[in-house]
Amino acid sequence: QVQLQESGPGLVKPSQTLSLTCTVSGGSISSGSYYWSWIRQPAGKGLEWIGRIYTSGSTNYNPSLKSRVTISVDTSKNQFSLKLSSVTAADTAVYYCARYSSRGHDYWGQGTLVTVSS
Amino acid sequence: SYELTQPPSVSVSPGQTARITCSADALPKQYAYWYQQKPGQAPVLVIYKDSERPSGIPERFSGSSSGTTVTLTISGVQAEDEADYYCQSADSSGTYVFGTGTKVTVL
Repeated sequence: QVQLQESGPGLVKPSQTLSLTCTVSGGSISSGSYYWSWIRQPAGKGLEWIGRIYTSGSTNYNPSLKSRVTISVDTSKNQFSLKLSSVTAADTAVYYCARYSSRGHDYWGQGTLVTVSS
Repeated sequence: SYELTQPPSVSVSPGQTARITCSADALPKQYAYWYQQKPGQAPVLVIYKDSERPSGIPERFSGSSSGTTVTLTISGVQAEDEADYYCQSADSSGTYVFGTGTKVTVL
């Protein structure tokens, strides 16, 4: 059973860079034809897709966030990561990592709350 | 940018049928996926590729597609189906989009 777990600081100061890591267990991040996504959800609001990465390193980003987002993968650690620069209070949200297969986002992490505040 | 529009809320009595629509603003439409999210929990995939049901998802969940609108149908709604539901699709460049979300209330 594939499991994903987000980790990283729960508090980030405005203008700084938010950094999160997703650790995949129960399977190799390199095996199969999967994309690995980051998705976020502000309190009381809907889901927003941030971006995805393939194990080759190929990425796609949400156009509205593209200038501030970097997603990378470390296959040796079975992890992929998110960096979001120049954060503001509007970036406060629960951040999820998820696996995307031909069946859609079929496995999700439990989510981690990141608050942007001084 | 690609947008998916859902009704904000749907109310249904137990045992009745709930239908949630998801409309795309552009053609052609890619496959749609549906997720159920209960308070404080991560979303769960309930329908993929418009109408396929993952293992472990009850048969009362079904999906259909017509033109640029997809529909999630919950037949014989149960109290445990009360949740937020999101559709998701993609544009031709590999950018994913989530719908605006629908809160299903079981009366």
